[in-house]
Amino acid sequence: RKEVEQDPGPFNVPEGATVAFNCTYSNSASQSFFWYRQDCRKEPKLLMSVYSSGNEDGRFTAQLNRASQYISLLIRDSKLSDSATYLCVPSSNTGKLIFGQGTTLQVKP
Amino acid sequence: NAGVMQNPRHLVRRRGQEARLRCSPVKGHSHVYWYRQLPEEGLKFMVYLQKENIIDESGMPKERFSAEFPKEGPSILRIQQVVRGDSAAYFCASSRDSAFSGNTIYFGEGSWLTVV
Repeated sequence: RKEVEQDPGPFNVPEGATVAFNCTYSNSASQSFFWYRQDCRKEPKLLMSVYSSGNEDGRFTAQLNRASQYISLLIRDSKLSDSATYLCVPSSNTGKLIFGQGTTLQVKP
Repeated sequence: NAGVMQNPRHLVRRRGQEARLRCSPVKGHSHVYWYRQLPEEGLKFMVYLQKENIIDESGMPKERFSAEFPKEGPSILRIQQVVRGDSAAYFCASSRDSAFSGNTIYFGEGSWLTVV
């Protein structure tokens, strides 16, 4: 089983749509969770840390289900500038971050 | 990118040459991570260092690759006798403490290695 699994997409949605990405992780000892965003040929940038069962930051909501080892990201009112690859990132026992393949989002006008 | 500096940004090497990639972490950060991203693929962990120590090198190829983070100076990722398959973007990241305890890691803009 892969350490992190994400649907690669692409998800093609119109502006203003709500879109959700799911992620499963295999290491039950993971303590910290993050969502990063990566634009083409750019470095990953932190979108949000995921605390406890989840948190919200503006149009973005992340949820964590430790029992099911599942993390989700919800984006409301999608903007053209949201087009990117979204990376689900749990920490490992040794402290490194494990990146999933990412889910590509294309927001169309 | 919160101050992680990588150089060179772009590097071209012929097969068999050596590539040295440098990473200066954010001031005050003592944890450094190297990741490799092949075209159209995700980021693959290579090595995690904490000042003079290698914490986790489970992602490093056994041959030709080495990494260090000396007490003074930047972290260096060294690739000896490069081959075409080494062509990739190499990202360095740093954090103040271990990411395991929730500390955010910040990425540099990457070094793009092309082997011809």
